[in-house]
Amino acid sequence: GAGVSQSPSNKVTEKGKDVELRCDPISGHTALYWYRQSLGQGLEFLIYFQGNSAPDKSGLPSDRFSAERTGGSVSTLTIQRTQQEDSAVYLCASSLPRGLAGEYNEQFFGPGTRLTVL
Amino acid sequence: KQEVTQIPAALSVPEGENLVLNCSFTDSAIYNLQWFRQDPGKGLTSLLLIQSSQREQTSGRLNASLDKSSGRSTLYIAASQPGDSATYLCAAYNFNKFYFGSGTKLNVKP
Repeated sequence: GAGVSQSPSNKVTEKGKDVELRCDPISGHTALYWYRQSLGQGLEFLIYFQGNSAPDKSGLPSDRFSAERTGGSVSTLTIQRTQQEDSAVYLCASSLPRGLAGEYNEQFFGPGTRLTVL
Repeated sequence: KQEVTQIPAALSVPEGENLVLNCSFTDSAIYNLQWFRQDPGKGLTSLLLIQSSQREQTSGRLNASLDKSSGRSTLYIAASQPGDSATYLCAAYNFNKFYFGSGTKLNVKP
């Protein structure tokens, strides 16, 4: 596709339920990033994939959060046993791979998934 | 841990003014710094990406500078227009971690 797509655009769930959020990056972008933006807050980095591997998962807020990426393309962010504090907009971005000197390329963001936990 | 600060938090200017948005970061070991704009209820739009070896980048009426030694970046907007009204975010890219400022909300009055 032309840009990063995310689904669903909105998700309302009950406390304690599991949710899956999906990100489809720009074709050819091997790097993929997940963030969340809580109401009135800045963007919080969650996890970064280079290909199918995530070199550092320490940005995930708790062990209820997990993310995977298969085939170097689509990624899913799973939140188990959702809590009200998980309510936020979850944003995904993708980019070309890092350069030879380690520099990152321009990140392009999707429209986000708005998660509401009742 | 990297901390990214943006000042001012909000700015209101009349159309046509030149303006500067500031971004500071505490850890100078960055690979890149990127500027975005965010319109209400929408995702982020990339404006400029500066590599750590670069001093500035320009695109149209926008110019972003980077001074790693002082931990500062500025976004200069020339001849501002009402369509420039948005929240502007800067992001510092460290090793496998990415840090965003809280943004400067810009209002350009016609």
